Amino acid sequence: EPEVTQTPSHQVTQMGQEVILRCVPISNHLYFYWYRQILGQKVEFLVSFYNNEISEKSEIFDDQFSVERPDGSNFTLKIRSTKLEDSAMYFCASSEGTGRITGSYEQYFGPGTRLTVT
Amino acid sequence: GQNIDQPTEMTATEGAIVQINCTYQTSGFNGLFWYQQHAGEAPTFLSYNVLDGLEEKGRFSSFLSRSKGYSYLLLKELQMKDSASYLCAVSGAGSYQLTFGKGTKLSVIP
Repeated sequence: EPEVTQTPSHQVTQMGQEVILRCVPISNHLYFYWYRQILGQKVEFLVSFYNNEISEKSEIFDDQFSVERPDGSNFTLKIRSTKLEDSAMYFCASSEGTGRITGSYEQYFGPGTRLTVT
Repeated sequence: GQNIDQPTEMTATEGAIVQINCTYQTSGFNGLFWYQQHAGEAPTFLSYNVLDGLEEKGRFSSFLSRSKGYSYLLLKELQMKDSASYLCAVSGAGSYQLTFGKGTKLSVIP
C-alpha cells in the first residue's frame, strides 16, 4: 500500500540553526500538508500546498517557515532559524484532492520527524 | 474559529464496545474525520463522515449529526492493540486543513 515517507526520523539542532525536513508524498496525490504536534498536545495545521503554491497557512507558519517542492517527488519544510519552541513532531500529509461533492478527501500522514532544538 | 471537544481518557475492557464522543463548533463544515494515533506514531485514517448518519467499517463505526455538531466513534470487539489515542478532526467550509481535537486516550484492559 502506498505511504507517505519522511526523513530524517529524528533531527537534533541548536537554536538559531536552519533545518530542512523532507517528505515524499503518495505518488498520485496532488495536495500536500505539514502539521506539527508538540509533545502531549494536539496536532496543529501549518500549511497546505498545491500546484507549487501555498494554498493555506496558519498563524504558526510565519516568515521563519517555508515549503518547497524541489522536484517531482519531494516536499520540504524549512525552518530558517530554529527556536526552542519549534521542538515538536512534524508530520507531512498528502491527499488525492481537497474538496469534492461529498466533502473533503482524507489525508494520509507520514511517520513524522521528531525535531529537538537545544 | 473552530473548537473541538472530546474526552481526555477512557478505559474499556477487551472484547467490549466503547463509544468516543466528539462535539465541534466550526465556521462551515466540509467533513469530520477520525484518526487513530499510537504513542510516538503518525495519525492513521479511520473514518470520514460528511452526511448525517452512521458509517460502518469493520469493527469501527462513526456517526455524525451536523445539526448537533456531534460525532462518535464506536469500536466493537475491543482488542489490546486498540489502545491508542483517537483524534477527531474537522474540515471547515472553504478550507481543507484539518483542525484536530486534543484526542481521547483509550486504554484497553484485559
